[in-house]
Amino acid sequence: AQSVTQLGSHVSVSEGALVLLRCNYSSSVPPYLFWYVQYPNQGLQLLLKYTSAATLVKGINGFEAEFKKSETSFHLTKPSAHMSDAAEYFCAVSGGNYGQNFVFGPGTRLSVLP
Amino acid sequence: DGGITQSPKYLFRKEGQNVTLSCEQNLNHDAMYWYRQDPGQGLRLIYYSQIVNDFQKGDIAEGYSVSREKKESFPLTVTSAQKNPTAFYLCASKSLNTGELFFGEGSRLTVL
Repeated sequence: AQSVTQLGSHVSVSEGALVLLRCNYSSSVPPYLFWYVQYPNQGLQLLLKYTSAATLVKGINGFEAEFKKSETSFHLTKPSAHMSDAAEYFCAVSGGNYGQNFVFGPGTRLSVLP
Repeated sequence: DGGITQSPKYLFRKEGQNVTLSCEQNLNHDAMYWYRQDPGQGLRLIYYSQIVNDFQKGDIAEGYSVSREKKESFPLTVTSAQKNPTAFYLCASKSLNTGELFFGEGSRLTVL
C-alpha cells in the first residue's frame, strides 16, 4: 500500500523568498515519486520525478526535490519564488513503471506575495 | 503534438441526466485513468484501464461508468445515480517507459 502526506494545505511566501513544500510518503515497494503543478482550471503538469536514480532531482521552472529514504520524504524547493509560481502542487507516489497504483497527496496551494 | 484531449471543457446538466465526458490520447499509452477533483480533496480515482476492453473500479466508482473499446479513447459517463456529480474531472494516461501520468486539461461539470 502507498500513501502521501503533504504538510500544509496552503503556503505563502514573498516574491524572491525560498519555496519549500513538504511531502512524505509510505510505500511497500521502492517508490517512484513525482511533483505535479496545477494552475486554475487546468490539468496537472509534471514538475519533476524520482525513479531510483540520482536522489537530487531537478525539474522545470527552477524547482528541485531531494529523495531521502531514511526520512521517507521528497520535499520540493525553489531558491527564489516568482509570482508565476502561484499554483496548486501535488506530490504523488507509484510503484514503478508497471505499478497500477498512482497515489496523490491532498495538494498544497502556494501563494506568492509581492 | 502528442497529448490528451478532454471535451467538453465546461458542461452544464440538469439533475437526473446522464452525461458523457470524452477523453482521447495520441500518446500510444496502454493505461488510462479518470480522476475527480473537488476543492481541498486532491484527486480521487474513479476508474482506470490497463488495456483495451478491460477496466477496474477506483476508489469512488459508484455512479460512474466507462468503456475502453479503443486504445485511444476512454470516455466517462456520469450517471443519474451519482449523488453529487458537480466536480472537475481529469483524464490521464500513463507511460510505461517513464512511469509518469500525462493529464488532459480537464472537464468541469456543473449539475443544476
